[in-house]
Amino acid sequence: QVQLVESGGGLVKPGGSLRLSCAASGFTFSDYYMSWIRQTPVKGLEWVSYISSIGGTIYYADSVKGRFTISRDNAKNSLYLQMNSLRAEDTAVYYCARVRAVSGIPTYPKYWGQGTLVTVSS
Amino acid sequence: SYELTQPPSVSVSPGQTARITCSGDALPKQYTYWYQQKSGQAPVLVIYEDIKRPSGIPERFSGSSSGTMATLTISGAQVEDEADYYCYSTDSSGNHRVFGGGTKLTVL
Repeated sequence: QVQLVESGGGLVKPGGSLRLSCAASGFTFSDYYMSWIRQTPVKGLEWVSYISSIGGTIYYADSVKGRFTISRDNAKNSLYLQMNSLRAEDTAVYYCARVRAVSGIPTYPKYWGQGTLVTVSS
Repeated sequence: SYELTQPPSVSVSPGQTARITCSGDALPKQYTYWYQQKSGQAPVLVIYEDIKRPSGIPERFSGSSSGTMATLTISGAQVEDEADYYCYSTDSSGNHRVFGGGTKLTVL
């Protein structure tokens, strides 16, 4: 069955960096778009970024553009999110999700990992 | 920016029908998806493309959409259906993907 396991979350000071990882199994990773979605009690669920199956198409929410970088290693069945210049408002649970794409357009997240908590605080 | 609006809470007794709504200007053109999130767990897809139910989701879950409103219906709600429910869709351009604010369903 599809499994997505995030890691790399933790406590970081404002302005700091963190790299999240997502290990995928149970499906052919290189066939699917993947995404990072975050959740906070205040702002709810927010789609942060997605990447196409071979990495040629990438999207970032305006709130993270220029600070976050999504990448993937299909040989390792892994998805990454490099987060720089972190702010308090980036505090959230970050989910890795497999996205269904139709005609090269990502539609919806079908499978989600359990999430990893990122806390940005001094 | 595009928004999807859900009621903050819905409450029903076990066995009753629960209806959770989601409103958005682009819903006549775009599909709605519904996710169930139990406390401390990741969201789970329960309805996709307005009305379709993924395998493994009980038949008591159904979806509908009319005009600018989509509805998730749980017929004969059970205590185990207590959760937060989120709708998801895109704006009319398809470029902006948004989630509703979530509805807390209480079954007691």
